[in-house]
Amino acid sequence: DIQMTQSPSSLSASVGDRVTITCQASQDISNFLNWYQQKPGQAPKLLIYDASNLETGVPSRFSGSGSGTDFIFTINSLQPEDIATYYCQQYDNPPFTFGPGTKVDIK
Amino acid sequence: EVQLVQSGAELKKPGESLKISCKGSGFSFTDYWLGWVRQVPGKGLEWVGTIYPGDSDTRYSPSFQGQVTISADKSVGTAYLQWTTLKASDTAIYFCARQKGDTALDYWGQGTLVTVSA
Repeated sequence: DIQMTQSPSSLSASVGDRVTITCQASQDISNFLNWYQQKPGQAPKLLIYDASNLETGVPSRFSGSGSGTDFIFTINSLQPEDIATYYCQQYDNPPFTFGPGTKVDIK
Repeated sequence: EVQLVQSGAELKKPGESLKISCKGSGFSFTDYWLGWVRQVPGKGLEWVGTIYPGDSDTRYSPSFQGQVTISADKSVGTAYLQWTTLKASDTAIYFCARQKGDTALDYWGQGTLVTVSA
């Protein structure tokens, strides 16, 4: 199985800050990487697919980049409604494993 | 509008069997893979497996292979996740989700809480 790691596991930032989360795959997955947002008590929501493509309807302050084994997810100008846990997921080979998640809250 | 509506919460005893469902609407059910994801309360997301209802091709995570069965009935647009012998460690929220193309899970059900307790 491809193992996914994320850092940090949690972070606290101020409204308006730029937030960066990294995701690393245990082997080359090209750009087969998604990012999801999960708010408490809700199902996950797709934000970014193919490493850098913004899902329809998702605010442009969210972005993703990277390929191979190293990926970055960015929130430009953190908003109060962005409080959530963020997960990366690879879909290069099944099982399509998720990272352990990064919990983001407001300082 | 694409919707995935899952069956309600379940409380079962160890050793019992269970089948939960996920009904799709607003899209061509036979043209998309449908995946299942487990989330133990307070923990992360785990990919269980996926099915292509068009031909019932199914793939499982090795962690869940032999522990659960994924199926689909295209005549009623519904996917299923079932257990023959539940264990306390199966206690979790189970989400179904549509896979767009070969990429991401773009629409999700609301989740089904399965609690297994004596």
